[in-house]
Amino acid sequence: GIQVEQSPPDLILQEGANSTLRCNFSDSVNNLQWFHQNPWGQLINLFYIPSGTKQNGRLSATTVATERYSLLYISSSQTTDSGVYFCAVERNSGAGKSTFGDGTTLTVKP
Amino acid sequence: ETGVTQTPRHLVMGMTNKKSLKCEQHLGHNAMYWYKQSAKKPLELMFVYSLEERVENNSVPSRFSPECPNSSHLFLHLHTLQPEDSALYLCASSQRYREETQYFGPGTRLLVL
Repeated sequence: GIQVEQSPPDLILQEGANSTLRCNFSDSVNNLQWFHQNPWGQLINLFYIPSGTKQNGRLSATTVATERYSLLYISSSQTTDSGVYFCAVERNSGAGKSTFGDGTTLTVKP
Repeated sequence: ETGVTQTPRHLVMGMTNKKSLKCEQHLGHNAMYWYKQSAKKPLELMFVYSLEERVENNSVPSRFSPECPNSSHLFLHLHTLQPEDSALYLCASSQRYREETQYFGPGTRLLVL
């Protein structure tokens, strides 16, 4: 099956710093999503981004489908950004299997 | 509060028990999802319903049986589970299937003894 690798596995930042999280996948995909799970377990869908670039406030994401990777940018990080960031890909529209990466655990220190 | 509720929040069951997890969304969404999150494993999408029809079934064992009686409710019926099925089960909904924003419930933490 398709492999999804996220890097780095762990990241510690000082509040205000910027960061880039990466998601590599081993085969062509039709869709890709980024999720954030906060320290209390709440999961939030951040971006649905099969290709191109999207921005939402301090967060932005870019997917280069032809090169099989996606990047999540967090600018001016805040302590509330702490948690685990997951990337998930889907191979075939309508009948596909969603595969998640292991996640990047982000800790933002005040 | 995301508008998606799940009950129970915690469940302990034996391998011979039958139980059901319930998810309810008050957002008027047409798609609902079941996810499984095990310790030390990536999130797994289990089932997707769109307009009350199952559109994805990702190789989930038959001891897990979903039911979507209407667009606001989603159930996961459990029977003869194994200890390795212990996990956090998350429900989510979105306006449409594959719509950008999914709203997640708080999850049901399940322990199978």
